[in-house]
Amino acid sequence: QSVLTQPPSVSAAPGQKVTISCSGGSSNIGNNYVSWYQHLPGTAPKLLIYEDDKRPSGIPDRFSGSKSGTSATLDITGLQTGDEADYYCGTWDSSLGAGVFGGGTKLTVL
Amino acid sequence: QEQLVESGGGVVQPGRSLRLSCAASGFTFSSDAMHWVRQAPGKGLEWVAVIGYDGNNKHYADSVKGRFTVSRDNSKKKLFLQMNSLRGEDTAVYYCTREQWPEGFDVWGLGTMVTVSS
Repeated sequence: QSVLTQPPSVSAAPGQKVTISCSGGSSNIGNNYVSWYQHLPGTAPKLLIYEDDKRPSGIPDRFSGSKSGTSATLDITGLQTGDEADYYCGTWDSSLGAGVFGGGTKLTVL
Repeated sequence: QEQLVESGGGVVQPGRSLRLSCAASGFTFSSDAMHWVRQAPGKGLEWVAVIGYDGNNKHYADSVKGRFTVSRDNSKKKLFLQMNSLRGEDTAVYYCTREQWPEGFDVWGLGTMVTVSS
């Protein structure tokens, strides 16, 4: 049972937009920055978004993040088949004194 | 080029110990907090531990507290995870990662597999 709640799966057609949600509480998302990661099996996770809504260099602007209260969202527009992967939100939980990840969301591009 | 390479994984019996290493290159290792994250087979990412840039300020997931110890040698640009009293549920790929921004892990290794089995 993850501290952060994500939908297990989402799907959309190529070229469309998908939204992945991440729900937490005041001790984690509500008072700490959220990051988002893309993970393909057998590879290293890739940072997509940090500090809620910032993109590292090299990450296309098709990926965007936002946060409101105790929930965060990752939007992916112009979906490509290469976007098929698992996506995770992550943050710090001040009550636990530990890092936390969401359970992960599998994106299928139909 | 910023790079992290984990090593030390393998098959170990329950109750035994294992020490993982992570070698850093291409960046100022001594400036950054470092984390360990793991992924059990068929499961999601699980945060394991963090160590501050100077070796102080360590925190652990409840699932490993009291059994795992994170440390670093900045002179050798290496991060370590000493794992004692290993259990079957510790079976996972273990990744080391750099915290470039608050909870933003921008450099990751390819991971090292740890299998705890009799």
